[in-house]
Amino acid sequence: EPEVTQTPSHQVTQMGQEVILRCVPISNHLYFYWYRQILGQKVEFLVSFYNNEISEKSEIFDDQFSVERPDGSNFTLKIRSTKLEDSAMYFCASRAEQGPLHFGNGTRLTVT
Amino acid sequence: AQSVTQPDIHITVSEGASLELRCNYSYGATPYLFWYVQSPGQGLQLLLKYFSGDTLVQGIKGFEAEFKRSQSSFNLRKPSVHWSDAAEYFCAVSHRGGADGLTFGKGTHLIIQP
Repeated sequence: EPEVTQTPSHQVTQMGQEVILRCVPISNHLYFYWYRQILGQKVEFLVSFYNNEISEKSEIFDDQFSVERPDGSNFTLKIRSTKLEDSAMYFCASRAEQGPLHFGNGTRLTVT
Repeated sequence: AQSVTQPDIHITVSEGASLELRCNYSYGATPYLFWYVQSPGQGLQLLLKYFSGDTLVQGIKGFEAEFKRSQSSFNLRKPSVHWSDAAEYFCAVSHRGGADGLTFGKGTHLIIQP
């Protein structure tokens, strides 16, 4: 069964550094998402992306965050200047036109 | 705004016993409802979903859930749990079939006793 793949599985970075989290959605999916889960807390919606533009974003998704679909297969989340509180598990998800979300296994981001 | 409440943070069940995980939602119209499972170190796997039609939905791994509009609930059930069911379970709601972001509950941690 096709899967959403995320790389790396674990990323450690220093505060103030830029990080890019990478995702390869399922190939025929059209809608792409990023969620995050701070340790011990619930999964939170960050942003949705369709037709090469952001369709919805949450309050968490401030100017430090950006998303991009640089080619036909990748979907990236960039954090420009990481803060300690950005430490979390970041999940990418994708879906077809009427289908449910399919999630990747996540990237654990640790900001030191 | 839509919201999801999972009132049980932890549930402990003996292997072979039945299971019910509670989920209540708040949304004005008919919601789209989902249950996801997260095993340690893993991503979120869809167990089942309700969009419309039959209010009792069957999912993978022997799980089922029943949508009760009068109670604003979408409880997850399994008649006999296995040790491999130990995981975190998340109920989620969307109002456009996933066209916007899902709103998740805080999750219920399921512990299986031998």
